[in-house]
Amino acid sequence: NAGVTQTPKFQVLKTGQSMTLQCAQDMNHNSMYWYRQDPGMGLRLIYYSASEGTTDKGEVPNGYNVSRLNKREFSLRLESAAPSQTSVYFCASSTYGWGKWPQHFGDGTRLSIL
Amino acid sequence: AQKVTQAQTEISVVEKEDVTLDCVYETRDTTYYLFWYKQPPSGELVFLIRRNSFDEQNEISGRYSWNFQKSTSSFNFTITASQVVDSAVYFCALNSSGGGADGLTFGKGTHLIIQP
Repeated sequence: NAGVTQTPKFQVLKTGQSMTLQCAQDMNHNSMYWYRQDPGMGLRLIYYSASEGTTDKGEVPNGYNVSRLNKREFSLRLESAAPSQTSVYFCASSTYGWGKWPQHFGDGTRLSIL
Repeated sequence: AQKVTQAQTEISVVEKEDVTLDCVYETRDTTYYLFWYKQPPSGELVFLIRRNSFDEQNEISGRYSWNFQKSTSSFNFTITASQVVDSAVYFCALNSSGGGADGLTFGKGTHLIIQP
């Protein structure tokens, strides 16, 4: 049971570099999400995709872009990394965005920007 | 707008004590769902329980119990006879119809430390 798979698990970047965080789910879920978790801030939504073909901004979208490649995959891109983007990033999925459906999370990506 | 408040940033108790984690939510919707998640030191987020706004029955699962009270907009989580393995950050979350398709609104979490 893979569930939600995130790659990579760890990454160190230099300021200004770009990278893409990958996320895939095998639960046939319609909705997918990207969060960042910072100490004392809880989980903050960066972008979400309510269904295949749609993406929308969350609470903290600046500096990020996303692609819903297909129903299974939802990637997060940092075009020009900044130290403020040092964080733990979580991908999640759920059957639908609204309602009784819990979100299922990947194991996270620890990203450090130097 | 919807909001979840977990006023307890950190709680430390000695093993075998009972502990309650508070969660207060705000929503104007009459239909909504509440969730609790656990994040152990290993870092993953684990779904614990869901409760809908029409069901005010308390839930008990082993040493865990949840008390949902619409009158006070609270969904508190109690661990009875705590164990070291309960040490984790616990998040309360809300999903209401007015929140749209962007899913859950999370509280900032309560860091629970169980000392042996």
